[in-house]
Amino acid sequence: NAGVMQNPRHLVRRRGQEARLRCSPVKGHSHVYWYRQLPEEGLKFMVYLQKENIIDESGMPKERFSAEFPKEGPSILRIQQVVRGDSAAYFCASSPVIVATYNEQFFGPGTRLTVL
Amino acid sequence: KNEVEQSPQNLTAQEGEFITINCSYSVGISALHWLQQHPGGGIVSLFMLSSGKKKHGRLIATINIQEKHSSLHITASHPRDSAVYICAVNFPGGGADGLTFGKGTHLIIQP
Repeated sequence: NAGVMQNPRHLVRRRGQEARLRCSPVKGHSHVYWYRQLPEEGLKFMVYLQKENIIDESGMPKERFSAEFPKEGPSILRIQQVVRGDSAAYFCASSPVIVATYNEQFFGPGTRLTVL
Repeated sequence: KNEVEQSPQNLTAQEGEFITINCSYSVGISALHWLQQHPGGGIVSLFMLSSGKKKHGRLIATINIQEKHSSLHITASHPRDSAVYICAVNFPGGGADGLTFGKGTHLIIQP
């Protein structure tokens, strides 16, 4: 069984370019979360998605950042017009259909974005 | 404000020592997670618990709901246990299921 997959593992972009980060959840999982880990800082929640729906994007910067989880294919975190402050590790996690008030999240290996 | 505090921030110990990492949170939670992150690596979920105690190999996690406190213990520590250990919680309400994280405990086990 494949776990959460993220690609690319490392991404280098110049200021002003776009970054697209992909996350394939565990097979059968319908919930995806994106987290960001800035250098020397802890992890921070960005967005929570179910298939074709954004459930909570309270942690997403209001501009330049967007996320989607289409019916088919991976979840995409898109950063437009990247700036140096976007350099971070971006982690995706997935969980199965929620049957209780909480659920275990399975993390991907992360994408390390470097903005030059 | 929903906060998660971990202690200690850094911990260096000798191989074989019993390790304890603490986590406190500010308000009631739905669940608490202990995660492990190796340098430059991904994140592994060690435990998820909402009450009591869980054990997996040399790792033990406990939670006291009344005191809003959890501990992660490592018995017979080994250099390969060196990693960052992160406490994370699900705060209920608001429709979000995203985790709130502590800053992590950097553990180094010396041979």
